[in-house]
Formats: sequence, C-alpha cells, structure tokens
Amino acid sequence: GENVEQHPSTLSVQEGDSAVIKCTYSDSASNYFPWYKQELGKGPQLIIDIRSNVGEKKDQRIAVTLNKTAKHFSLHITETQPEDSAVYFCAASLEASFGGSNYKLTFGKGTLLTVNP
Amino acid sequence: KAGVTQTPRYLIKTRGQQVTLSCSPISGHRSVSWYQQTPGQGLQFLFEYFSETQRNKGNFPGRFSGRQFSNSRSEMNVSTLELGDSALYLCASSGGRFQETQYFGPGTRLLVL
Repeated sequence: GENVEQHPSTLSVQEGDSAVIKCTYSDSASNYFPWYKQELGKGPQLIIDIRSNVGEKKDQRIAVTLNKTAKHFSLHITETQPEDSAVYFCAASLEASFGGSNYKLTFGKGTLLTVNP
Repeated sequence: KAGVTQTPRYLIKTRGQQVTLSCSPISGHRSVSWYQQTPGQGLQFLFEYFSETQRNKGNFPGRFSGRQFSNSRSEMNVSTLELGDSALYLCASSGGRFQETQYFGPGTRLLVL
C-alpha cells in the first residue's frame, strides 16, 4: 500500500520567514495530494491540494509543488504569522476523475510548525 | 453550508465496554470516511461508506464497525474496548465535483480507562 513520509517533524521559524514542509510517497498511482492544518482541539482543515496534472498551485501565502517523477511534494508558506502555528499533514490518495472509488487518504506523520513573534 | 459534525465530542469508557460515535456529513455529501488519530500511529484510515455501503476498509480488527443511513449520516461502533483504542476519531465527508476531497469534522475524543 501507499506510504507517505513527511519532514521535518518540527519546524520553528521567525514571524515573516518562510516555512517549507516536504513529503514523499511510494505509490506511483497516487495522483491527489492534499495538505491539512490541525490546530489544538480541532479536526484537520484542508488548506490546499494539488492534482497530478499540475506541478504547482498557489493560494495567497501558501503554495504546493509536485514532482511526480521523484514522487515528492512540498508545502511552502511565505511571510509566516503566529496564527500559522499548528500541525500540518500531507496526504496522498487517488483522484476521482481517474476512475475507481478508493479515496482513502494516507497521511504523513505531521509537522509541528511554530512561528515565533 | 454547515460543516461536518460529530457527536459526542468527548467520551470516557472502561475496558470491555462498547461505544458508538456519530457523524453528520456536509449537506449533499454521500461519502463518509472514518479515521483514528493517535500520537504514536498518526492518522489511520478505518473505513469509508458511500450510499449506505462500506466501500473501503482499513487494517483494523473486526471490533471496529460502522454503518451509514439513507440520509448519509454515519455511525461507527467499537466493541470490547481496549486501552489502545483511546484516540481522536475523525469523520470526513466528500461529495460534489471533487469526490476525493475530504472535509473533516472536529472529532470525538475517546478515553478508555
């Protein structure tokens, strides 16, 4: 089955700096890669996702890149703010448009991001 | 639209008991997935239901079961609770144009004593 590795496990940055979290996956069939942010006491919140037909996607201060050949994808947060502090999870699954019905998400172990004021 | 709701938010049970957790998906979503989150194992897939049928299942013992109702609401049941079942149980729903995009509820925190 799919295996997702995530690094680093903890990341501390100064407010205003950039943060990068990297993930690798093992199953070349995976083609949907979401990122979730989880704050204390809450469920994971989808912040951005990318599908296999694109290499990069941006949403304001957040961007995700995908390298299907190398089987890795990364989350980039620019101009970090204290409210960005949380645990971030990457995940991989299959995309619905490619057929099938197995949308099980396989998660990385998470990255605790701390943004220091 | 209202998000995914889960009840109860917190539960304390003792070993050997059983527990039922409930999840109401986003309106219009027909797929409901369940995940277990623990500090040691992280987020692990339990099972997924679509139109009242279990479509996918993770690697959990038969003590973990679920069902989905005609209104897409779902329940999961854990029988003969063990200490290791203490976890945050998360429900996620998906539907609409992007079937693979999952939205999570706040979770049910289960403590087994």
